[in-house]
Amino acid sequence: EPEVTQTPSHQVTQMGQEVILRCVPISNHLYFYWYRQILGQKVEFLVSFYNNEISEKSEIFDDQFSVERPDGSNFTLKIRSTKLEDSAMYFCASISGVSETQYFGPGTRLLVL
Amino acid sequence: QKEVEQNSGPLSVPEGAIASLNCTYSDRVSQSFFWYRQYSGKSPELIMSIYSNGDKEDGRFTAQLNKASQYVSLLIRDSQPSDSATYLCAVNLDTNAGKSTFGDGTTLTVKP
Repeated sequence: EPEVTQTPSHQVTQMGQEVILRCVPISNHLYFYWYRQILGQKVEFLVSFYNNEISEKSEIFDDQFSVERPDGSNFTLKIRSTKLEDSAMYFCASISGVSETQYFGPGTRLLVL
Repeated sequence: QKEVEQNSGPLSVPEGAIASLNCTYSDRVSQSFFWYRQYSGKSPELIMSIYSNGDKEDGRFTAQLNKASQYVSLLIRDSQPSDSATYLCAVNLDTNAGKSTFGDGTTLTVKP
């Protein structure tokens, strides 16, 4: 069964450093999302991406964040200058567009020290 | 007021019992409703989606939606210890593949 994959599974970085989180959505899917979940808190929407552009973003998704689909398969989330409060689990999700079912990747656990 | 509110847990039921999970949402124009199961440290896993008023059954799971009351619930029949997890209610405003807004989750423990 096709699945969303994410790399790395864990990332530790120093405050102020840039990180890139990578996702490979399911191949025929058209809509892509990033969510985050701070430990013990709810899943929060960050950004949605369709047709090679951002379709919606939350207040969390400020100028420090960017997304890209560089090669038609990968979908990346970049955090330019990480803060301690960016420590969270980051989930990528995709939707085919035929169905609304969101398929979540396994997540990347980011720890900012 | 939270956009998506779930009954505070944790919820504990004996094996074989019915577990009832509740969720209310604030935006009356919400279109799509989802229940996810999340094990600790793992990603959300879709259990049920429901779009119209009434009940929807899938195996041991039944989702109920009442748009007039802005209420959606999940019943788990014959609860098993493997059902122990956090259950997340999620709501979409837009049927065209919009974002999901999640509740805080309700942690369910099924005791053998």
